[in-house]
Amino acid sequence: AQSVTQPDIHITVSEGASLELRCNYSYGATPYLFWYVQSPGQGLQLLLKYFSGDTLVQGIKGFEAEFKRSQSSFNLRKPSVHWSDAAEYFCAVGPRSQGNLIFGKGTKLSVKP
Amino acid sequence: GAVVSQHPSWVICKSGTSVKIECRSLDFQATTMFWYRQFPKQSLMLMATSNEGSKATYEQGVEKDKFLINHASLTLSTLTVTSAHPEDSSFYICSAPGQLDTEAFFGQGTRLTVV
Repeated sequence: AQSVTQPDIHITVSEGASLELRCNYSYGATPYLFWYVQSPGQGLQLLLKYFSGDTLVQGIKGFEAEFKRSQSSFNLRKPSVHWSDAAEYFCAVGPRSQGNLIFGKGTKLSVKP
Repeated sequence: GAVVSQHPSWVICKSGTSVKIECRSLDFQATTMFWYRQFPKQSLMLMATSNEGSKATYEQGVEKDKFLINHASLTLSTLTVTSAHPEDSSFYICSAPGQLDTEAFFGQGTRLTVV
């Protein structure tokens, strides 16, 4: 079955600390992978995407993610978290970049001062 | 970049009434749009695929007679929640696909509360 697993429901980090949000997927074909961020009551903003090529992709706001095919993972990282990064983060996979995506349940990030 | 506008951003309605949510692609044409629903503390789940000029395709378990989708033009899709009940209260969000090798563009979402 096609699925996306985000094992961490809620993560709290101190401002300035590094961050890694985990994402594992199960997919039958070559996946297109995405990370989105959602602030409370807001829509989704794309942080980054992976389609092919370099497995380390850079996104907006200083985020990066690494695609590891052998582990079926696409973890999101940021070296130094800012208070404004507090939000819900969703990993998603799709058959192609056409929008009918399969989302994980999300990881809520809280940032301590 | 491409923008998808969704309206209203929030709505409160009485049980038994109907609510229409609009999703517009502002600077590009979208023959297909997607409607998702997000319950509190849950992920987004695809409800249906809206196709311009033809019937929508609904995901398993989604009542097509309750969630009416109309995609009358290349820039507008509407979702009407008919005879709304409190259990329909949710966050509804639409998206439109980009060109090949680009991402989907999401609307701002609509928070529906049925009282």
